[in-house]
Amino acid sequence: SQTIHQWPATLVQPVGSPLSLECTVEGTSNPNLYWYRQAAGRGLQLLFYSVGIGQISSEVPQNLSASRPQDRQFILSSKKLLLSDSGFYLCAWSVSGYQPQHFGDGTRLSIL
Amino acid sequence: RKEVEQDPGPFNVPEGATVAFNCTYSNSASQSFFWYRQDCRKEPKLLMSVYSSGNEDGRFTAQLNRASQYISLLIRDSKLSDSATYLCVVNKMVTGGGNKLTFGTGTQLKVEL
Repeated sequence: SQTIHQWPATLVQPVGSPLSLECTVEGTSNPNLYWYRQAAGRGLQLLFYSVGIGQISSEVPQNLSASRPQDRQFILSSKKLLLSDSGFYLCAWSVSGYQPQHFGDGTRLSIL
Repeated sequence: RKEVEQDPGPFNVPEGATVAFNCTYSNSASQSFFWYRQDCRKEPKLLMSVYSSGNEDGRFTAQLNRASQYISLLIRDSKLSDSATYLCVVNKMVTGGGNKLTFGTGTQLKVEL
């Protein structure tokens, strides 16, 4: 069966520090991969999605970037974190763009 | 108009009650529809897909009205453990082909003793 791993579960970072969140999927090939952010009490905001290695689509202009160096690995990065980057970051995968997405446990990021 | 619109709630209902959530979507070309459940401070989890003819999974019934671009979720005999936020999800086509899912902001349900 397919599983998705996302880490760390929680992270506290100072403003201006770099960020790297990693997500890996097991048990499937060539999945669609997604990064979402959810601010406290708000809905899911799609940040990036990828349909293949090296293919990244950005949904909103921001301080973050994403990379997909391997088929089942998706990385979310920032060179300098802002206070507004705080939130709950979720990675997800799906077989295709119109089939259900399955989420990792999420990373709760606090910027001080 | 939002791509996916839901009443944010909260819906406060007694245990054993029947509760219905509604959702409207703006893209008439959408083909895939889902309900997700999100517990407080947790990731969303797929509850059920929504099919054109309507479908049922235990106490949960989902219905789709394509003409009105409307989706519903009915929960019968509510349990305390049903307390969560319910997200309506619809696909949309993107530039260059392909699809992605759009998540509603969710309706909060609180089931009380």
